[in-house]
Amino acid sequence: EVQLLESGGGLVQPGGSLRLSCAASGFTFSSYAMSWVRQAPGKGLEWVSAISGSGGSTYYADSVKGRFTISRDNSKNTLYLQMNSLRAEDTAVYYCAKSPFYGDYTKPPPSFDYWGQGTLVTVSS
Amino acid sequence: SSELTQDPAVSVALGQTVRITCQGDSLRTYYASWYQQKPGQAPVLVIYAKNNRPSGIPDRFSGSSSGNTASLTITGAQAEDEADYYCNSRDSSGNHVLFGGGTKLTVL
Repeated sequence: EVQLLESGGGLVQPGGSLRLSCAASGFTFSSYAMSWVRQAPGKGLEWVSAISGSGGSTYYADSVKGRFTISRDNSKNTLYLQMNSLRAEDTAVYYCAKSPFYGDYTKPPPSFDYWGQGTLVTVSS
Repeated sequence: SSELTQDPAVSVALGQTVRITCQGDSLRTYYASWYQQKPGQAPVLVIYAKNNRPSGIPDRFSGSSSGNTASLTITGAQAEDEADYYCNSRDSSGNHVLFGGGTKLTVL
């Protein structure tokens, strides 16, 4: 059974940093691209970032480029999102999500077949 | 264009058929996927790569596409289908991923 478990959310002041983790199990982690998707309170879904299965390719939304860094440790089956220079508008539930497509691709995965339960990040003074 | 546009709200009578649409220039190049989200829950993939259903998704859910418009059709809507539905795809550059604004489906 595929499971994705996010952690690391919490309250942080504007300008601060936070690192999110997503522990994966139930599939061959290194064979699938992974992504972060967020949802501000009462709002819709927003794609944040993606990384290829090997970790060699990364992709970012313009709203977070230069502030967020996605990475993965395939030996630990874990996905990360390092978030720096946080702003109030980054407040959201952050989901990690798995691509349904096996293998490495040169573009970010366009679909997400498994999602974690989400972790809440609140940026406020 | 860097947008996917959905109607904010749609309603359907119990047992009837409803179509939820998603418009965007990138849909001329890339397939749409569709997600169902109920309050307080993570999204669930219902259609991907135009008209593929993950295991466990009822066959009353189907997808189609024409030009710059993708559609999710629910044939014989059930009360449990009441939820928010989001489409997504890559943008026209192919290097970013977009979500539509979501459609709130009410089953009457």
